[in-house]
Amino acid sequence: DQQVKQNSPSLSVQEGRISILNCDYTNSMFDYFLWYKKYPAEGPTFLISISSIKDKNEDGRFTVFLNKSAKHLSLHIVPSQPGDSAVYFCAASAMYNDMRFGAGTRLTVKP
Amino acid sequence: DSGVTQTPKHLITATGQRVTLRCSPRSGDLSVYWYQQSLDQGLQFLIQYYNGEERAKGNILERFSAQQFPDLHSELNLSSLELGDSALYFCASSVNLEGYGANVLTFGAGSRLTVL
Repeated sequence: DQQVKQNSPSLSVQEGRISILNCDYTNSMFDYFLWYKKYPAEGPTFLISISSIKDKNEDGRFTVFLNKSAKHLSLHIVPSQPGDSAVYFCAASAMYNDMRFGAGTRLTVKP
Repeated sequence: DSGVTQTPKHLITATGQRVTLRCSPRSGDLSVYWYQQSLDQGLQFLIQYYNGEERAKGNILERFSAQQFPDLHSELNLSSLELGDSALYFCASSVNLEGYGANVLTFGAGSRLTVL
């Protein structure tokens, strides 16, 4: 069941520009959304999250936007750096319950 | 080091065999989650345990089983292995206390299973 969808398998941007990664979900019970970053040969690591009571959360170069009516969230990285090149997973959960992940988007930031 | 330990890191076995993957959660974390990542696929949720009890079940095959022990470590047992079971298996843990709110998962480095 694809409750969390990342429709773009890959994204390539130039260093210094904005990277926008998108995610859609279908389960209206989800109330907490997260982005994880994964480098090769490592487990995913937590990047940023947002609660359903908010529509924006910012942490340095990373901002997550949530549009509940559209069941859509996005991650903005500004400015993008080569070290940001990784696979980014969107995840969602309902309170206390399991966490569902999207298929991931591979971001490549070119110098 | 994330604090979540998975063993073995790599495992090669034959079809029809049985393997056990082990996970030690981060100190203080009560919940353990298991995920499967096949080639170029996302993280497929398998199962979650909270303080020794099964909390949620995802797309886990009947040939697979898991448990969480009193010391909170967890094992994922995969039996009658097929070629398609070749994947990275991730364990994650979280505090997940009742009333704490939503939780952030901390992942281990994964166990890569190759079935020949």
